Amino acid sequence: KNEVEQSPQNLTAQEGEFITINCSYSVGISALHWLQQHPGGGIVSLFMLSSGKKKHGRLIATINIQEKHSSLHITASHPRDSAVYICAIYTQETSGSRLTFGEGTQLTVNP
Amino acid sequence: DADVTQTPRNRITKTGKRIMLECSQTKGHDRMYWYRQDPGLGLRLIYYSFDVKDINKGEISDGYSVSRQAQAKFSLSLESAIPNQTALYFCATSDAGPYGYTFGSGTRLTVV
Repeated sequence: KNEVEQSPQNLTAQEGEFITINCSYSVGISALHWLQQHPGGGIVSLFMLSSGKKKHGRLIATINIQEKHSSLHITASHPRDSAVYICAIYTQETSGSRLTFGEGTQLTVNP
Repeated sequence: DADVTQTPRNRITKTGKRIMLECSQTKGHDRMYWYRQDPGLGLRLIYYSFDVKDINKGEISDGYSVSRQAQAKFSLSLESAIPNQTALYFCATSDAGPYGYTFGSGTRLTVV
């Protein structure tokens, strides 16, 4: 079982819809990242969370440390939001710190 | 200029050839990483370096080697490329701690 599970794997929405992408993890973490990967391949960091909620424009990320769960919400979705969204957990172990990635959620927003 | 620059962006090479992927950064970060992305899988760590004299294997280092030439440069080599090394490769940098990860644009490598 992966340490990081994202759902759904694929999501198609109509422009303007409210979108939620979920991330569950199975280990204790120091922080969680949400990343965006556009069709050209480049990866951009959207949020880093260790508790609570963060908002940037139409994007909102929340995390519940006790439930080991995070969500990424997109309000008023737009075709330019079409991308792969990746959840990654940051853990610190005796062997060192590391980032473990989910498989990603492919979002397509149709006009 | 991008904070993390990978070259080449795309490469097709033949089985058995040696190939080097290069990464340079202007973030001033000490930590650098090479990841591999395959369809249906999350990014997986190949090698990482916390400073110029520190090189560590990641979860899938077999068949790869790295060189940290300077704080700003971290190269990944495939000594003898094989088709199952066909993938999208990312270089990343970070501060100490969970903050400030910056990714390059990726190198799409095809081994035929």
